[in-house]
Amino acid sequence: AQRVTQPEKLLSVFKGAPVELKCNYSYSGSPELFWYVQYSRQRLQLLLRHISRESIKGFTADLNKGETSFHLKKPFAQEEDSAMYYCALSGHNQGGKLIFGQGTELSVKP
Amino acid sequence: DAMVIQNPRYQVTQFGKPVTLSCSQTLNHNVMYWYQQKSSQAPKLLFHYYDKDFNNEADTPDNFQSRRPNTSFCFLDIRSPGLGDAAMYLCATSSPGSSTEAFFGQGTRLTVV
Repeated sequence: AQRVTQPEKLLSVFKGAPVELKCNYSYSGSPELFWYVQYSRQRLQLLLRHISRESIKGFTADLNKGETSFHLKKPFAQEEDSAMYYCALSGHNQGGKLIFGQGTELSVKP
Repeated sequence: DAMVIQNPRYQVTQFGKPVTLSCSQTLNHNVMYWYQQKSSQAPKLLFHYYDKDFNNEADTPDNFQSRRPNTSFCFLDIRSPGLGDAAMYLCATSSPGSSTEAFFGQGTRLTVV
């Protein structure tokens, strides 16, 4: 079965603390993995994708095929990082046909 | 500079009364998607259009239909809304081959009374 699991509904940290949002997936084949973010009252938008291997707003995510994970990390959280984060996967070259996790709400306290 | 626009942002409809949600895009993307997101749940794909080709997800109820009259517009029709259809409906677009990114609208929150 194709599935994305985000085990934490809410993650609360203090400003400056490290952050790790967990994501595990189940997919037959070679998926493309994404992190989408939704800031308060804004639309869902792409944060980063595994094929780019880039750092966006200080966030990174490494695809671990052995553990079928794609955890999102940031060494020092900022208050403006507070948002809803969704891990998602798609088949090859099917970027909009996404299977989403349930999302993790990140709250960064001052 | 809104690229995917959904109207209205909030829609209230009566139980059983047909309702249409609209989505337009300025990106000229081939593919348009409709997702349903119920409270505290993951967005779930209902169907998508690749150009004029309609692709329904296997578990999308027959109550949900879609129209895409041209590249820019796509509509979600709910023939007989039930209380269980209350949700946020998200429209998204993508352009296969050039990017794997999906661009989302702000959503329409549907309330069924």
